[in-house]
Amino acid sequence: EAGVAQSPRYKIIEKRQSVAFWCNPISGHATLYWYQQILGQGPKLLIQFQNNGVVDDSQLPKDRFSAERLKGVDSTLKIQPAKLEDSAVYLCASSLERVGLGTQYFGPGTRLLVL
Amino acid sequence: EDQVTQSPEALRLQEGESSSLNCSYTVSGLRGLFWYRQDPGKGPEFLFTLYSAGEEKEKERLKATLTKKESFLHITAPKPEDSATYLCAVRTDKLIFGTGTRLQVFP
Repeated sequence: EAGVAQSPRYKIIEKRQSVAFWCNPISGHATLYWYQQILGQGPKLLIQFQNNGVVDDSQLPKDRFSAERLKGVDSTLKIQPAKLEDSAVYLCASSLERVGLGTQYFGPGTRLLVL
Repeated sequence: EDQVTQSPEALRLQEGESSSLNCSYTVSGLRGLFWYRQDPGKGPEFLFTLYSAGEEKEKERLKATLTKKESFLHITAPKPEDSATYLCAVRTDKLIFGTGTRLQVFP
């Protein structure tokens, strides 16, 4: 069974530029999550989707971050404009069960460096 | 406020030297405790889920246990390939991660 796919794997941009990350969850998984992991810390949830609806985006900095999950499958996370403190690994995860249940399986992450 | 604390931050073991990693938590409405392994440059890899105090799970050299306030990940006779960061996460309405324990096992 294929795992969670993410692209790109690495991205370097300058501050105030915009960037987008893509995630394809495990086939059949209804729930999708985006996390931010700063070096030396554990992942922090940014947003979670149930199918194509947002369940929780309370920790998403909405002035610069946006995310969508069209057709309830793939998802994109965008940062516009980027700040230095956005340098981190952005992890996508998916789970079979609805939000709040089930095991989350993670992709390899996208490593973002903002200069 | 929900909180997850892992200790130690880093642990160096010689091959074969057993030890334990700790995850203590203060949350309201625990709906499961998860252990993940994370290798450098990769995403977290699922290891175990524990739901109730007294529960234990085992996989190869790893054994996870749970009490009402903490969980332990016991590593028996570790090998160099067990070197990784081990993350603990508790689930309320979302997953809340600790900062992890960086384990190094040297020959």
